[in-house]
Amino acid sequence: AQSVAQPEDQVNVAEGNPLTVKCTYSVSGNPYLFWYVQYPNRGLQFLLKYITGDNLVKGSYGFEAEFNKSQTSFHLKKPSALVSDSALYFCAVNPQRSFQKLVFGTGTRLLVSP
Amino acid sequence: NAGVTQTPKFQVLKTGQSMTLQCAQDMNHEYMSWYRQDPGMGLRLIHYSVGAGITDQGEVPNGYNVSRSTTEDFPLRLLSAAPSQTSVYFCASSRSLDSYEQYFGPGTRLTVT
Repeated sequence: AQSVAQPEDQVNVAEGNPLTVKCTYSVSGNPYLFWYVQYPNRGLQFLLKYITGDNLVKGSYGFEAEFNKSQTSFHLKKPSALVSDSALYFCAVNPQRSFQKLVFGTGTRLLVSP
Repeated sequence: NAGVTQTPKFQVLKTGQSMTLQCAQDMNHEYMSWYRQDPGMGLRLIHYSVGAGITDQGEVPNGYNVSRSTTEDFPLRLLSAAPSQTSVYFCASSRSLDSYEQYFGPGTRLTVT
């Protein structure tokens, strides 16, 4: 079965420190991978995507993610966290590489303390 | 552009009632989708549309109907509401097949008692 795992329900980090939000996937073939962010009482916002090419992709708000095919991972990273980064982060995969039938992870809540 | 809009923001239904959740986008996007978000389960695809007049089922379509008579609108109908349909519903759109960036509406929080 095609799935996305976000092993941490919550990640706590101090402002100014680097952050990592983990994501692993289980799909056949070469999937398309995405990160979305959800702020309280808002819809999801697109952060970044990996389709092909460079394994390190850069996205909005200073976030980046590294695609690792051998480890089937797509971890989200930021060199220096901001309190305003506190939100719910979703990893998603499009296993069929066709219309966006996204399969979402369960989400990781990021809490950045001042 | 208003982007993706959804109405209502909140709704309480009794079991067995029917209603329509509205979704509209003003970006001339071809693709539109409906998701539900439940605690600990992420988002799950209910139905989607690749253009006016074309719809298809997603992962959890039972109990829901959709239609796409115009490019702009993609309503979601609950035929006979059940408590299991208590959830937050999100509508999303994207420009084309190769854009892959979906734009989400603010959501509708539905409670079925």
